[in-house]
Amino acid sequence: AQTVTQSQPEMSVQEAETVTLSCTYDTSESDYYLFWYKQPPSRQMILVIRQEAYKQQNATENRFSVNFQKAAKSFSLKISDSQLGDAAMYFCAYRSVAGGGADGLTFGKGTHLIIQP
Amino acid sequence: DTEVTQTPKHLVMGMTNKKSLKCEQHMGHRAMYWYKQKAKKPPELMFVYSYEKLSINESVPSRFSPECPNSSLLNLHLHALQPEDSALYLCASKPTLRGSRNNEQFFGPGTRLTVL
Repeated sequence: AQTVTQSQPEMSVQEAETVTLSCTYDTSESDYYLFWYKQPPSRQMILVIRQEAYKQQNATENRFSVNFQKAAKSFSLKISDSQLGDAAMYFCAYRSVAGGGADGLTFGKGTHLIIQP
Repeated sequence: DTEVTQTPKHLVMGMTNKKSLKCEQHMGHRAMYWYKQKAKKPPELMFVYSYEKLSINESVPSRFSPECPNSSLLNLHLHALQPEDSALYLCASKPTLRGSRNNEQFFGPGTRLTVL
């Protein structure tokens, strides 16, 4: 079974600064997908960024980028120019490819991100 | 239409009640999911439906009974629940076609369930 570990229960950053959230995972599979989801107090889970394990290039989406280190099984999220709207719980998630496309997500425990104005 | 809707938003029920949660999507997704999320915890997978057939049941107690009557609709029937079942119940859907753009699970806003 796969496990996802987020070692930072809470992080705080000044508005406009950069913050990095860490995530490690454990798997014996060679092909899989990794995600960062954001869950604000409104509780809607929103996809922030995705990474396919077979791609060496790190994914980027505007102010969000990842540092994917497959050998180290590490998948950190960098948020640049932090904004007040970034305040939320951030979950790192893993999905296997083996299930034919319908497997569920395995989530880490989450990191609560606080943005200081 | 790129959203997953869930009704009701909030539900309070007694331990002897029978109630149902409803999830709907019109994105043509053929994989649908139920997750349970306790306060300050990550979502935990309960059930997966693929092409309207139950493909994964994560050892969920039988007091939770899922149903997928068609490709757009997913229900979760609740009966004889316990107070510890109080949680946010999230529904999600995903395309089943392969391809990097088809990996995202789209989540609904959830139903906040309280069992008295």
